Amino acid sequence: SAVISQKPSRDICQRGTSLTIQCQVDSQVTMMFWYRQQPGQSLTLIATANQGSEATYESGFVIDKFPISRPNLTFSTLTVSNMSPEDSSIYLCSVWTSAYNEQFFGPGTRLTVL
Amino acid sequence: AQTVTQSQPEMSVQEAETVTLSCTYDTSENNYYLFWYKQPPSRQMILVIRQEAYKQQNATENRFSVNFQKAAKSFSLKISDSQLGDTAMYFCAFMKSRGSNYKLTFGKGTLLTVNP
Repeated sequence: SAVISQKPSRDICQRGTSLTIQCQVDSQVTMMFWYRQQPGQSLTLIATANQGSEATYESGFVIDKFPISRPNLTFSTLTVSNMSPEDSSIYLCSVWTSAYNEQFFGPGTRLTVL
Repeated sequence: AQTVTQSQPEMSVQEAETVTLSCTYDTSENNYYLFWYKQPPSRQMILVIRQEAYKQQNATENRFSVNFQKAAKSFSLKISDSQLGDTAMYFCAFMKSRGSNYKLTFGKGTLLTVNP
């Protein structure tokens, strides 16, 4: 299986600031994704992180608010910019592995914005 | 666009009994994958079971099995001999197999509580 780590695991931030979340995978993967899970809710896909090119964003999510980097096949970052309390959520990194035909999820980053 | 519906926000079951979680979906695709994921309280999301739409045989993983009805677009999860560790949020998810985007569409989830 793919082992995914995320940093930080949780953070409390002030409104108007930005937070960058890191995702590290223990093997090279083609597809990496960022999801948001608001308290008690389901997962919503923010974007697909593309290696070497701009991320592909889902409807309702924009690059200025959620810039994403993916410099190589094992690492990605998601930045939550100019945060407001509505951004309080769990942010999850996930990867699709063709080897296992399965999508694995990281442990998540629990963000609270005051 | 695909949609996934889980009509049971919460369910409970006694330990050792059997419970079935329901899931329906809407798609115009003919080839796709369906998944059940488990998210225990404050823990990581893990895959429970997977079904390829082209396979008529229902998938089984130990105590977990599915009832896949393609024509009815229904994909229920049966948990036999429920254990306390099965307490979790369960998400049904859909993925198109055509193309290489591998994006998952999730249902809203069913919170399952196993009582001793």
